[in-house]
Amino acid sequence: AQTVTQSQPEMSVQEAETVTLSCTYDTSESDYYLFWYKQPPSRQMILVIRQEAYKQQNATENRFSVNFQKAAKSFSLKISDSQLGDAAMYFCAYRTPNNNNDMRFGAGTRLTVKP
Amino acid sequence: DTAVSQTPKYLVTQMGNDKSIKCEQNLGHDTMYWYKQDSKKFLKIMFSYNNKELIINETVPNRFSPKSPDKAHLNLHINSLELGDSAVYFCASSQEYWAGPADTQYFGPGTRLTVL
Repeated sequence: AQTVTQSQPEMSVQEAETVTLSCTYDTSESDYYLFWYKQPPSRQMILVIRQEAYKQQNATENRFSVNFQKAAKSFSLKISDSQLGDAAMYFCAYRTPNNNNDMRFGAGTRLTVKP
Repeated sequence: DTAVSQTPKYLVTQMGNDKSIKCEQNLGHDTMYWYKQDSKKFLKIMFSYNNKELIINETVPNRFSPKSPDKAHLNLHINSLELGDSAVYFCASSQEYWAGPADTQYFGPGTRLTVL
C-alpha cells in the first residue's frame, strides 16, 4: 500500500506567484520525519525541506515552507515568489522510524513555472 | 565538490548482459542506499548498507547484487539484464544508520539504464 500520496500529478504557477503542493501520508507511528525533494531535469534529487513530526512549528527554508498538520497527516509545500528555476518534479517523502530506516516516496508532482 | 557521485550517468546495453553502476560519497557517511525510479517516477528502495554491512534488501531479484568495498563506496552489479530493469537508479547516503528518522539522505545524480 502506498504510504505517501501526492494527489496533484501536475501544477502550474506564474513566476513570482505562490504555489502549494499537497502531500498526505499514512502511518501509525508518532515519531517520524517528512521531506520534500526536488528533481529538476538533471535528475538530481535535491533536499528542499524537512519536518520533524514532534515539532509543532512548521519548517521554513527561504522561499519554501511547509504546512504540517499531524492529525490530518498532511504535509504541504508552499513555494513563495516562484522562480523559473523552481520548475521540477517534487517528491514528498516519509522516513520510517523502524529498523529499516528507509524512505518512502510519493508519486511526485510536476511543477511548471510560467514566465 | 560532489557529495554523492555515480558512474556512468547513462548506460545502454543489450538483454542478457552484466553491468555495474558505481557510487561514491565523500561526506563521511556510514550508510548508503540504492533506489530504483521507474518510468512512472516511483522511487523504491532496493538496498541499504551500513558500514559495509547489508541492512535492507527489499524484494529485489537476486540478479542485483550490491557490493561495498568500503563505507564510501556502494556499487550495484546487475546480472542477466532484462527489459524491465530499464529505469533510473539512484544512490544515496546518510550520516548514521542508527540516528533514526532524523537522518537526511543525500542523493546522487542518478544513472539511466536502458536495456534493449
